[in-house]
Amino acid sequence: QQQVKQSPQSLIVQKGGISIINCAYENTAFDYFPWYQQFPGKGPALLIAIRPDVSEKKEGRFTISFNKSAKQFSLHIMDSQPGDSATYFCAAIPTGANNLFFGTGTRLTVIP
Amino acid sequence: GAGVSQTPSNKVTEKGKYVELRCDPISGHTALYWYRQSLGQGPEFLIYFQGTGAADDSGLPNDRFFAVRPEGSVSTLKIQRTERGDSAVYLCASSIGPNQPQHFGDGTRLSIL
Repeated sequence: QQQVKQSPQSLIVQKGGISIINCAYENTAFDYFPWYQQFPGKGPALLIAIRPDVSEKKEGRFTISFNKSAKQFSLHIMDSQPGDSATYFCAAIPTGANNLFFGTGTRLTVIP
Repeated sequence: GAGVSQTPSNKVTEKGKYVELRCDPISGHTALYWYRQSLGQGPEFLIYFQGTGAADDSGLPNDRFFAVRPEGSVSTLKIQRTERGDSAVYLCASSIGPNQPQHFGDGTRLSIL
């Protein structure tokens, strides 16, 4: 059973547009939510992360929005660039644990 | 500074053979993790080491899989009697301590013929 559900599976965005990727979870024990970016042939690279005590976190063009009551969180990429084309994974870790539970990934393509 | 290093980057072997995959974590990182990523999927947790000991091995699929970290740094993931279903990218990550951000290597792509 997939503990973190991610959508969409793929996304095509025009350069300069906003890319939005959504994730949802059921396990209320999750207390840390990172996003990873992965290029072909490379390992996942940590982009940005949030804990449930805040509703939003912004780092440069990347913003996480977190809705604790709805058990949903999303990644927004502002001013999307062709170099942002990659697969993005949301993930979560339960309190007291150390293993990441990953979503199924979103393949983002930014068209020049 | 150097990131997480995994060797080999690719490994092709025949069904039934034994394989060892190596992970060199970031210097000073006490926590080390192994994940497995199948094509088109997110990584799945296998095992977590804090220092030399396996603190959580709940993700190992069966007793053909084993991992060690004898000196609290380098780790080796060992797979016995490999099966075609073991084909995947095996990723290693490390963090400065428990409950800290995990940094991944580029993985070993394992293909079982």
